[in-house]
Amino acid sequence: IAGITQAPTSQILAAGRRMTLRCTQDMRHNAMYWYRQDLGLGLRLIHYSNTAGTTGKGEVPDGYSVSRANTDDFPLTLASAVPSQTSVYFCASSDSGRVGTDTQYFGPGTRLTVL
Amino acid sequence: DAKTTQPPSMDCAEGRAANLPCNHSTISGNEYVYWYRQIHSQGPQYIIHGLKNNETNEMASLIITEDRKSSTLILPHATLRDTAVYYCIVRVARTGNQFYFGTGTSLTVIP
Repeated sequence: IAGITQAPTSQILAAGRRMTLRCTQDMRHNAMYWYRQDLGLGLRLIHYSNTAGTTGKGEVPDGYSVSRANTDDFPLTLASAVPSQTSVYFCASSDSGRVGTDTQYFGPGTRLTVL
Repeated sequence: DAKTTQPPSMDCAEGRAANLPCNHSTISGNEYVYWYRQIHSQGPQYIIHGLKNNETNEMASLIITEDRKSSTLILPHATLRDTAVYYCIVRVARTGNQFYFGTGTSLTVIP
């Protein structure tokens, strides 16, 4: 069992280009999340999805879009990348079947640099 | 979600217990206490969580005070691989509810 995988591991991108970060989980978790981590700011939620077919905005959604066509995949798209989107991006998933068990499990991250 | 306060850094000798405190004086009755850690350049790793009772698993113990205003994460026999940033998070266990990680405590285990 792989858990959560993210691709690519790292990427250098020219400003204005479109980029999709991939996230796949094999735990059949119903909820998935995208965070970004910047030095001194901790992790901030970008978008989330409670279940396949639904998405919601987090704390810092501007400039990002997501889709959730199935349970396993939750891609994050930057339509036109800007340097301020340089960050480390983490995908997470959780199974909220029982109260108190909404523990989020994180992927290894994607390091994105926008020049 | 309630705010938490943690010391920015701590040291611990290898083989000794590491006791990481967290203050959450504004915690609500339905909010859980979660602990995660992040080893350099890796994704956050879940450690343990609890509501009001003390909890123990293979990684750590969580001690929550009776008034729930503070808690302590205990790593019973710290190793060099436990060097990481430890985050105490208080939140309602609800799908879609994000984890606010803050800046955590940077634990350094010293040989």
